[in-house]
Amino acid sequence: GAGVSQSPSNKVTEKGKDVELRCDPISGHTALYWYRQSLGQGLEFLIYFQGNSAPDKSGLPSDRFSAERTGGSVSTLTIQRTQQEDSAVYLCASSLDGTASNQPQHFGDGTRLSIL
Amino acid sequence: AQKITQTQPGMFVQEKEAVTLDCTYDTSDPSYGLFWYKQPSSGEMIFLIYQGSYDQQNATEGRYSLNFQKARKSANLVISASQLGDSAMYFCAMSHNRDDKIIFGKGTRLHILP
Repeated sequence: GAGVSQSPSNKVTEKGKDVELRCDPISGHTALYWYRQSLGQGLEFLIYFQGNSAPDKSGLPSDRFSAERTGGSVSTLTIQRTQQEDSAVYLCASSLDGTASNQPQHFGDGTRLSIL
Repeated sequence: AQKITQTQPGMFVQEKEAVTLDCTYDTSDPSYGLFWYKQPSSGEMIFLIYQGSYDQQNATEGRYSLNFQKARKSANLVISASQLGDSAMYFCAMSHNRDDKIIFGKGTRLHILP
């Protein structure tokens, strides 16, 4: 498919474990975004990449959260020492050129993370 | 501070009626974009419509139109002839040219009644 791909689609893990979430954006899209959506809530911005660099990390909730992007393509969001409040759907989106405000974001189906 | 406000947490509308979903925003930047997204119960986020701050005309996409009132900082989504498949969560969002963060409102859950 040509859309944004996220894996895994579901992840259940024990409190204290580390998790890694993957996002494969649409080919050619330079901008990549991570959001968190708790049950019944809106989207909480986490981090944004333009190419491989992250000009805005302000949304990361704590130093347990980190993200990287390599080759201007795939991105991974890592949560260390997971806590129960980390349970949410993590959504990834990409856009053609993040420097233009008229570019819509295309979203993946998300990773549903459950911390036991 | 940049902010998106959606005051209607939930709405019930009869099928085939038009519906207006409210969105107001706050920004000091002159150049910005406004988006609406639909999120069905399946969870995917679907882009619906875009309005640029300098666009002279209201955006339209099929049954969707955006009632853009710049002076009032309002960007309401209008869905004409609603269908059962329109039942979903709807999010208003804003972006700026000076940075690429997009902020979302808390959403409005729309229920279309048969």
